[in-house]
Amino acid sequence: GESVGLHLPTLSVQEGDNSIINCAYSNSASDYFIWYKQESGKGPQFIIDIRSNMDKRQGQRVTVLLNKTVKHLSLQIAATQPGDSAVYFCAEGNDYKLSFGAGTTVTVRA
Amino acid sequence: DAGITQSPRHKVTETGTPVTLRCHQTENHRYMYWYRQDPGHGLRLIHYSYGVKDTDKGEVSDGYSVSRSKTEDFLLTLESATSSQTSVYFCAIRDSKEKLFFGSGTQLSVL
Repeated sequence: GESVGLHLPTLSVQEGDNSIINCAYSNSASDYFIWYKQESGKGPQFIIDIRSNMDKRQGQRVTVLLNKTVKHLSLQIAATQPGDSAVYFCAEGNDYKLSFGAGTTVTVRA
Repeated sequence: DAGITQSPRHKVTETGTPVTLRCHQTENHRYMYWYRQDPGHGLRLIHYSYGVKDTDKGEVSDGYSVSRSKTEDFLLTLESATSSQTSVYFCAIRDSKEKLFFGSGTQLSVL
């Protein structure tokens, strides 16, 4: 069936460096994509979203890139901070439902 | 948590017993969702609701039922809990811009 997945289950990054988290999706009919951050013991928190008619969208310290040709989504975090340590999920949306990938655990090294 | 309250936060129960989890929102949003989260599986949709008394199944709905008698409340019921239903359950609401906002979760252990 259709699925959303992340390329790597874990990512270790030096504090101050930029982070790139990747996600591949397979449902070409998806028209909405979203990134969530989940800290231990908490529910997922919205980071940034993008619609299928866009290639790039920027937020505060974060940028989402969408490549529909290869069905690839990425989240870039600038100047990674210790508070960025968390599990990051990508999700694809269609018909009022979101499907989530398994997540990437990001660890920030001091 | 964006006006979403889940109760209880933790629950331990025995196999075969009924369990009901509650999700309450103060945002008056139409769409509400129940997800479960398990290691290696991310978040999987159980059921969702698009209005009072209007619900539909998600990808892992077997063994679960839901009810929505009021806009603000969405209940998830395990009629006869099994050990495979040990999980963390998240409720979510969908705002007018299609963003999902999640509650803090309910940790359910079925022994």
